[in-house]
Amino acid sequence: GQNIDQPTEMTATEGAIVQINCTYQTSGFNGLFWYQQHAGEAPTFLSYNVLDGLEEKGRFSSFLSRSKGYSYLLLKELQMKDSASYLCAAMDSNYQLIWGAGTKLIIKP
Amino acid sequence: DAMVIQNPRYQVTQFGKPVTLSCSQTLNHNVMYWYQQKSSQAPKLLFHYYDKDFNNEADTPDNFQSRRPNTSFCFLDIRSPGLGDAAMYLCATSRDSGGSYEQYFGPGTRLTVT
Repeated sequence: GQNIDQPTEMTATEGAIVQINCTYQTSGFNGLFWYQQHAGEAPTFLSYNVLDGLEEKGRFSSFLSRSKGYSYLLLKELQMKDSASYLCAAMDSNYQLIWGAGTKLIIKP
Repeated sequence: DAMVIQNPRYQVTQFGKPVTLSCSQTLNHNVMYWYQQKSSQAPKLLFHYYDKDFNNEADTPDNFQSRRPNTSFCFLDIRSPGLGDAAMYLCATSRDSGGSYEQYFGPGTRLTVT
């Protein structure tokens, strides 16, 4: 079957760094997405990885290891506005997204 | 600005009373999706349109129907809403070409069933 695993909740301190991990199992693979979702709002796109390695975009970076079925999202210099759920989604061979349930990130002052 | 628009943002309906949610896009994307998302859960794909081709997920209840009269608009019809259908309904679009598969989401419609 197809499956995405990510932690349910994480807590971090303002100004710190946090890494949110995601493991996936899909039928075929066409890339890994990270979305941010604030409470009561729609998901917004953060990153897309299809090749192994690290992609950096400002304070956010995303890493992919296809051989390990593993990705992480790294958030640096955390701000209070980063409090949100972070959804990992893997694209299968039919170009459909298999979604994780999201990691709720709580930022404390 | 190009965007995905959903109306209404909040919808209250009675148990068993049909309801229609709408989505429009100015991105000219050829693929449109309807997701259901309940609190602290992953978005669940209900159906998607690839151009005019309709694709229904195997576990989408018959109570849910969809229409896409043209490229820009898509509708979700819930024929007889039950209490378990209360959720956020998300419309998304993507352009299936050029290796870009990012899905763009509308703001969602939160459905309450009384």
